[in-house]
Amino acid sequence: EAGVAQSPRYKIIEKRQSVAFWCNPISGHATLYWYQQILGQGPKLLIQFQNNGVVDDSQLPKDRFSAERLKGVDSTLKIQPAKLEDSAVYLCASSSSGRGAEPQHFGDGTRLSIL
Amino acid sequence: QKEVEQDPGPLSVPEGAIVSLNCTYSNSAFQYFMWYRQYSRKGPELLMYTYSSGNKEDGRFTAQVDKSSKYISLFIRDSQPSDSATYLCAMSYYGQNFVFGPGTRLSVLP
Repeated sequence: EAGVAQSPRYKIIEKRQSVAFWCNPISGHATLYWYQQILGQGPKLLIQFQNNGVVDDSQLPKDRFSAERLKGVDSTLKIQPAKLEDSAVYLCASSSSGRGAEPQHFGDGTRLSIL
Repeated sequence: QKEVEQDPGPLSVPEGAIVSLNCTYSNSAFQYFMWYRQYSRKGPELLMYTYSSGNKEDGRFTAQVDKSSKYISLFIRDSQPSDSATYLCAMSYYGQNFVFGPGTRLSVLP
């Protein structure tokens, strides 16, 4: 079984620029999550999709962050414009249905540095 | 008060020791409790999950949940150098509202 794929692995941009991350979940997984992990902290959930609908985006800074999951498969997370405090690892995870404590399978993340 | 608290460590133990990792939380609505292991520059990997209170064992790992005290633990028996990683507790309710602790760094010394 192929794991969660994320790209790019690393990205360096200047503040006020825009950036996009891509995630391909495990085949057949209905639920997709985007997390932000700042150095030394645990992952913070930004948005959760069930198929192509949003289940939870309460912690997504909607003035600058956006995410979509077209056709209920791949997903992109965008930041526009980026701020220095957005420097973090952006993790994508997926699970088969999102109910209860089904395992979330994580990708290895995109490491974003803002100059 | 943070929603989930965890001692950041680092925790250093000799090979073969029993390791105890703990989290406390404030939201009594949490129903599902998970432990993840994260190696450097890798995504978290699920180790254990439990529903409500009780114990669960899987090989060298045992997870305990005490909802009355809002306290969860992960025990690692016969620890190995390959167990050196950051351990994250996580919890959720209704299959959403996932919250992670800040993680404990563990080093198992040969």
